[in-house]
Amino acid sequence: EAGVTQSPTHLIKTRGQQATLRCSPISGHTSVYWYQQALGLGLQFLLWYDEGEERNRGNFPPRFSGRQFPNYSSELNVNALELEDSALYLCASSLGPRRETQYFGPGTRLLVL
Amino acid sequence: EDQVTQSPEALRLQEGESSSLNCSYTVSGLRGLFWYRQDPGKGPEFLFTLYSAGEEKEKERLKATLTKKESFLHITAPKPEDSATYLCAVQAPSTDKLIFGTGTRLQVFP
Repeated sequence: EAGVTQSPTHLIKTRGQQATLRCSPISGHTSVYWYQQALGLGLQFLLWYDEGEERNRGNFPPRFSGRQFPNYSSELNVNALELEDSALYLCASSLGPRRETQYFGPGTRLLVL
Repeated sequence: EDQVTQSPEALRLQEGESSSLNCSYTVSGLRGLFWYRQDPGKGPEFLFTLYSAGEEKEKERLKATLTKKESFLHITAPKPEDSATYLCAVQAPSTDKLIFGTGTRLQVFP
């Protein structure tokens, strides 16, 4: 069974540009979560989507946004990139909300110059 | 405020030298506690989920235990391939987000 996949693996942007990151969950999983892991810091929760709806967001500015498509894949958009947005962005999926284990993808390494 | 603290930050072990990693948490109404392993530059790999105090889970050389305030990840006779950062996370009842600790970086030398 295929795991969570993310694309691209690496992304280089300049300050002020927009970045789009993509995630495909494990087959049968309806919930998708996005986390940011900056160098030397722990994983910080960004967004949670379930059944196409945004269910919760972390303490990040509105320029971090996303959506979930009917096939449950998801997209994270980061507008007006800042240098401190450089991080590993991780996507996770679960069977659904409530006590379900989250399985992570390999991540997208975003570098903002 | 929900919080997860892991100790030690780093641990160096000789191959075969057993030890334990600690994860203490403060959360109102724990929904679940999760252990992950993360290799450099990769996504976290799921290890265990624990739901209630007294619960234990085992997998190869790893054993996770849970009390009302903390969890331990016991590593028995570790091998160099066990070298990684071990992450602990809790799931709060009001949201589905995971709150992560900063991890314990384990190095096992032959």
